[in-house]
Amino acid sequence: RKEVEQDPGPFNVPEGATVAFNCTYSNSASQSFFWYRQDCRKEPKLLMSVYSSGNEDGRFTAQLNRASQYISLLIRDSKLSDSATYLCVVLNDYKLSFGAGTTVTVRA
Amino acid sequence: NAGVTQTPKFQVLKTGQSMTLQCAQDMNHNSMYWYRQDPGMGLRLIYYSASEGTTDKGEVPNGYNVSRLNKREFSLRLESAAPSQTSVYFCASRQNTEAFFGQGTRLTVV
Repeated sequence: RKEVEQDPGPFNVPEGATVAFNCTYSNSASQSFFWYRQDCRKEPKLLMSVYSSGNEDGRFTAQLNRASQYISLLIRDSKLSDSATYLCVVLNDYKLSFGAGTTVTVRA
Repeated sequence: NAGVTQTPKFQVLKTGQSMTLQCAQDMNHNSMYWYRQDPGMGLRLIYYSASEGTTDKGEVPNGYNVSRLNKREFSLRLESAAPSQTSVYFCASRQNTEAFFGQGTRLTVV
């Protein structure tokens, strides 16, 4: 079983829409969780960390459910510039594992 | 502030050739990583180094070796390149939470 699994999408949404997607992780001992963004096979960049209580960063909301071992990302009021691949990332000890990514395309 | 620097950016190898991908970071981070990215596969961890002097296998280590030369540098070596190693390779470094990535090396093995 892969350590981190994501719905690959693609999610094709109009501007202004809300889009949400999840990832699951296999190691219940994982300590930290993140969402990264990757554009056109460029290097991934941190979008936000995910905290147990859930957290927001502008239009982005991340949730963590440790009992069910899943992480979610919700994007409100989607912008064209949100089109990207979103990578779910899990840290276990020093090992940083990535999901395969969820592709989001926002159309005008 | 350079962050994470990878060299080379592009490389074409013939099957059986060897090469070393270089990675250096100037952020004084303890942990460093090598990933490969193939279409539809996301980033797969090849090797990582939790700190200077230690290295560990990741998800796909076969065919690769690494050296954590010092705190700044973490190199990835392909001893005998195979077409299956055609990929985009990313190096990253991390301290605490955020990991920073190099711009990637696009390697083609023919």
